[in-house]
Amino acid sequence: SQQGEEDPQALSIQEGENATMNCSYKTSINNLQWYRQNSGRGLVHLILIRSNEREKHSGRLRVTLDTSKKSSSLLITASRAADTASYFCATDAHGFQGAQKLVFGQGTRLTINP
Amino acid sequence: DAGVIQSPRHEVTEMGQEVTLRCKPISGHDYLFWYRQTMMRGLELLIYFNNNVPIDDSGMPEDRFSAKMPNASFSTLKIQPSEPRDSAVYFCASSLVAGQTQYFGPGTRLLVL
Repeated sequence: SQQGEEDPQALSIQEGENATMNCSYKTSINNLQWYRQNSGRGLVHLILIRSNEREKHSGRLRVTLDTSKKSSSLLITASRAADTASYFCATDAHGFQGAQKLVFGQGTRLTINP
Repeated sequence: DAGVIQSPRHEVTEMGQEVTLRCKPISGHDYLFWYRQTMMRGLELLIYFNNNVPIDDSGMPEDRFSAKMPNASFSTLKIQPSEPRDSAVYFCASSLVAGQTQYFGPGTRLLVL
């Protein structure tokens, strides 16, 4: 079953505006990661936030984590056309025999209009 | 480093044929993952390896799928016989530590007619 669920499924904004995407998950985690996927390409890691962190920044990206609500948000400030992509959250989950793996959500499709 | 390398980038085959996808992970990464991505099911983990040993293959859809990692720099995902419902983009990813940052290859777009 899906561990991470993104919201909204699709988001369309004007260039220069801020974009916020949310992720909810079900079980306890050690960390949560956000990835970007441009059309026809592989996923690219953006940022990792550990379970004992509440907020993390990287350039125009800001990630928050609320473990009590089992949710995270990704904020992209001053959006650019190049930010058009799908964004996925991924949580570590214990798989077979306790081995850790990442479980990805369905993603948010972000479109930046010029 | 060149990143994760996958081949072929595109594959078109007919139902019943054998398909072999190849992956070279980033040197020094101990973990290798195979994913399948479709519009309907999203990104699914098929199998992953640690130090060339398969750890979790619970995501492999059925016996038609098999994966091997004969050495630290090479892995294959084989589908035999292929079916139209196997059409998808298959990604390989590698990481230093399980549960941490994964580095994805460009993917193989498979179309089974």
